[in-house]
Amino acid sequence: QKEVEQNSGPLSVPEGAIASLNCTYSDRGSQSFFWYRQYSGKSPELIMFIYSNGDKEDGRFTAQLNKASQYVSLLIRDSQPSDSATYLCAVRGGNEKLTFGTGTRLTIIP
Amino acid sequence: KAGVTQTPRYLIKTRGQQVTLSCSPISGHRSVSWYQQTPGQGLQFLFEYFSETQRNKGNFPGRFSGRQFSNSRSEMNVSTLELGDSALYLCASSSERGALRRYFGPGTRLLVL
Repeated sequence: QKEVEQNSGPLSVPEGAIASLNCTYSDRGSQSFFWYRQYSGKSPELIMFIYSNGDKEDGRFTAQLNKASQYVSLLIRDSQPSDSATYLCAVRGGNEKLTFGTGTRLTIIP
Repeated sequence: KAGVTQTPRYLIKTRGQQVTLSCSPISGHRSVSWYQQTPGQGLQFLFEYFSETQRNKGNFPGRFSGRQFSNSRSEMNVSTLELGDSALYLCASSSERGALRRYFGPGTRLLVL
């Protein structure tokens, strides 16, 4: 079992709709959870992080964490073509190592 | 503030050679971590340095090594290159060890022939 799992996609979402990206992790000792966005040919950039159960909102982005289910998600509201990218889920365990999923490729269809 | 810089940006080597990549973190940042990104494996953690000491290490063979200097700049070295080492090597800097925000550099794309 991979430490951090994501559906590789591609995930296609119409412009203006909600994009939902999911991630599961195996280490129950994980403390912090991150979502990075990576445009093709570019380096990852941090969108947001979450470390408490529940929802955390930042503009059009909402991260959701459920530690009991070992599940993290990212919702993107009012999706824009500029949101088309690969989204990487990352988890920091008790050893402070940051482990990444392989990413979900998201395409917003105009 | 200038971002994370990595040199060189592109590199072509042949099997058996060695390579050294450099990373300069954001000014004032003291922690540097290195990652290898390939299409099949995604982003994999190599190692993390803070205050010139390796604080964490991923599951890579001993051919992969690194160091950090007193000015926080970091280098990683890969010896006896293999075809499978072809990848994008990314470094990320953060202000302190354990800081939640990490800022990635543009990466060094290494091609091993």
